[in-house]
Amino acid sequence: NAGVTQTPKFQVLKTGQSMTLQCAQDMNHNSMYWYRQDPGMGLRLIYYSASEGTTDKGEVPNGYNVSRLNKREFSLRLESAAPSQTSVYFCASSEGGAPDEQYFGPGTRLTVT
Amino acid sequence: DQQVKQNSPSLSVQEGRISILNCDYTNSMFDYFLWYKKYPAEGPTFLISISSIKDKNEDGRFTVFLNKSAKHLSLHIVPSQPGDSAVYFCAARYTGNTGKLIFGQGTTLQVKP
Repeated sequence: NAGVTQTPKFQVLKTGQSMTLQCAQDMNHNSMYWYRQDPGMGLRLIYYSASEGTTDKGEVPNGYNVSRLNKREFSLRLESAAPSQTSVYFCASSEGGAPDEQYFGPGTRLTVT
Repeated sequence: DQQVKQNSPSLSVQEGRISILNCDYTNSMFDYFLWYKKYPAEGPTFLISISSIKDKNEDGRFTVFLNKSAKHLSLHIVPSQPGDSAVYFCAARYTGNTGKLIFGQGTTLQVKP
């Protein structure tokens, strides 16, 4: 039982390049989330998917797109990377209900130069 | 506008003593509060939660207290152990909005042997 997996673990991009961060969960959870963590800022929600086929914006969606490919997979795409997107990205999933605790992946450390 | 605040970036306590981590919030529309623990290079892991209709929830060495009138919650760890050294995030969930969490900035706890 792997829980939430993320690929890649590390990535360095040049400004303007694009890339997709992959996330998969094997817990049969309905909801999935993408966060970014920056020093002194905590975790901020980028996008979330309450169920397969739906996605919604979080606090900081600008510059990102997401795809809920199926119930297991939720990807995050940077179309034109900017240095301000240098961060650690976490994917999470939850089954719903209350309090709806979320299970996090190990993170992707992204640097944009 | 930070809706969930952890005003102490760091805390250092002696092994065996009590650790108290604090969190303040501004929005009355939160229905659950959660605490997460994070070790370096790992994703956050869920620790304990409390419903907004309760004032205390206990799980082993961990107790969370909620003071709704003051919009304040705290996490008590008794007794503290060196393995508790980590970053602790409080998070608040919007009423009726499954899964959408707002995180505080985090407090780094160091427990000295």
